[in-house]
Amino acid sequence: QSVLTQPPSVSGAPGQRVTISCSGSRSDIGAGYDVHWYQQFPGTAPKLLIYANNNRPSGVPDRFSGSKSGTSASLAITGLQAEDEADYYCQSFDRSLSAWVFGGGTKLTVL
Amino acid sequence: EVQLVESGGGLVRPGGSLRLSCAASGFTFTDYSMNWVRQAPGKGLEWVAFINSDATTMYYADSVKGRFTISRDNAKNSLFLQMNSLRDEDAALYYCARHTPCDYWGQGTLVTVSS
Repeated sequence: QSVLTQPPSVSGAPGQRVTISCSGSRSDIGAGYDVHWYQQFPGTAPKLLIYANNNRPSGVPDRFSGSKSGTSASLAITGLQAEDEADYYCQSFDRSLSAWVFGGGTKLTVL
Repeated sequence: EVQLVESGGGLVRPGGSLRLSCAASGFTFTDYSMNWVRQAPGKGLEWVAFINSDATTMYYADSVKGRFTISRDNAKNSLFLQMNSLRDEDAALYYCARHTPCDYWGQGTLVTVSS
């Protein structure tokens, strides 16, 4: 069981907005540690999508955005496109474990 | 161009050992911390270990603590993961990844644990 909790799946129609939540605790997200998001397509390595809560690496479309509040974080995708269909993971640091932790991952389906 | 190339995976019996390597190129290796992250077939990502740029700080997931050792050779731009006392549940694709957040990833090396 992952320290960070994500919904196993979300879905949306093309053009819609979807959000993926990442719920933590006072020892990780709530302790002020940054949240990072990764996108992974089947059979490929993960790709950094959002870093330090709400920053996009070069080349990531501004349709992707991140936010953090309290012990949770969210990834929002607007103008959903078929090519966004992938698995998404959040990551943060847990001070009680002295370890980085990932969420269990969320599979995004574009209807 | 940043490149991370893992090697050393393979089939090993439970209780056995394996040493993974990650060859880094395209960036100043000594400037960056490194991580090992694994993914069991059909499962999510699991962070395994971290080492800072000068190898003075290492962190491990509880699931591997005491069995795995992360190390690096900055002169050879290489990252390693020594895995001992391997268990069935250690079977996974092992990625090396640069820094945290993990901004570059290798393609992974597959570890199979089976008798």
